[in-house]
Amino acid sequence: GAVVSQHPSRVICKSGTSVKIECRSLDFQATTMFWYRQFPKQSLMLMATSNEGSKATYEQGVEKDKFLINHASLTLSTLTVTSAHPEDSSFYICSARGPLGRGGLQETQYFGPGTRLLVL
Amino acid sequence: DQQVKQNSPSLSVQEGRISILNCDYTNSMFDYFLWYKKYPAEGPTFLISISSIKDKNEDGRFTVFLNKSAKHLSLHIVPSQPGDSAVYFCAATRYGNKLVFGAGTILRVKS
Repeated sequence: GAVVSQHPSRVICKSGTSVKIECRSLDFQATTMFWYRQFPKQSLMLMATSNEGSKATYEQGVEKDKFLINHASLTLSTLTVTSAHPEDSSFYICSARGPLGRGGLQETQYFGPGTRLLVL
Repeated sequence: DQQVKQNSPSLSVQEGRISILNCDYTNSMFDYFLWYKKYPAEGPTFLISISSIKDKNEDGRFTVFLNKSAKHLSLHIVPSQPGDSAVYFCAATRYGNKLVFGAGTILRVKS
């Protein structure tokens, strides 16, 4: 249980185009999902917290107009990188907060496999 | 301000021996702690967690110890296996808030 998928796993796009990444919780409902970015040899950087049915909460320094987040259902959140540029190339990872009733595991985040974005 | 610190960037252990990964935190409001394992180009995999009301939690080869007075937690892997080689992140949170991650420790288990 507590499986999270991400699609696509890898995407290459031209500078100036927009890219959408999907994050799905496959076997549980997630009212809260998170989007992270990882640079090489660095830790995970939280970009934003996505709550179902409401606006995402962005971390300081993250452009909300650049990284559009939509959490339209309890199992799906999307991250759209708008007008992508080479500096947006990175590894993007989503996570979903775990299901209720599992001994405190509601606080556990389950991560997707990540999406490698390369902007040419 | 780094609230969660993993001071050892890497650790090398012989197969079959114990691996001990350490993590320190500064925020006394944290009440839930987690360990994740991560392979390159993959998302982190949840390993084990511990609530601040406990001082030990065990799951198979993995045991997490929490010392609240020292604001320190550790992950013990016994016996270590080559497949355990990965980056290990500790994370901390206060109920309902975001996870705060450490910088990670690279574990290499030599056969």
